[in-house]
Amino acid sequence: GAVVSQHPSRVICKSGTSVKIECRSLDFQATTMFWYRQFPKQSLMLMATSNEGSKATYEQGVEKDKFLINHASLTLSTLTVTSAHPEDSSFYICSARARSSGNTIYFGEGSWLTVV
Amino acid sequence: TQLLEQSPQFLSIQEGENLTVYCNSSSVFSSLQWYRQEPGEGPVLLVTVVTGGEVKKLKRLTFQFGDARKDSSLHITAAQPGDTGLYLCARWVAGNMLTFGGGTRLMVKP
Repeated sequence: GAVVSQHPSRVICKSGTSVKIECRSLDFQATTMFWYRQFPKQSLMLMATSNEGSKATYEQGVEKDKFLINHASLTLSTLTVTSAHPEDSSFYICSARARSSGNTIYFGEGSWLTVV
Repeated sequence: TQLLEQSPQFLSIQEGENLTVYCNSSSVFSSLQWYRQEPGEGPVLLVTVVTGGEVKKLKRLTFQFGDARKDSSLHITAAQPGDTGLYLCARWVAGNMLTFGGGTRLMVKP
């Protein structure tokens, strides 16, 4: 099946620094990518939707200047957490939808971010 | 506010027991998906139900879509420790956003 890969799987950064998480579709072209955040013992909350070559659409309450999303190619989307704070520590998951896959999306393995 | 309400939020049972997890909404949806997620991993799609009243089986898992397409259930027969995980229902909103219910955390004790 289709594979979506996230990198890094775990990252620890200092408060105030920025960290970038990559999401790649390895064997298909992802016209749409989604970024979710999941706090411990909670469900996935959609942060933003990005379409290749256009600006991301952010969900209500998600700061677009803090969570920078770039979907520059059909196989890569990045999420940059700027000026990270401990409360940004979470599990971030991306997913991707191919042009031909309809409502089937493929999830990455997730990235654990810890801000100290 | 969750568009999808899942219950129970947490369930701890002994191996061999049966269980049912529910996913409810006040609105009608065209389709619904069930996922299972293990700690530290992304969700894995189990099934998509589309037709009202539809029943799908996946080994010991039985998925049902309500006749009115406002609710769905997941029934597990003879649960095993390997069934432990977070079960999530999800639906597409406006055809472009997949949103999840609050999840049911299942623990099956040997």
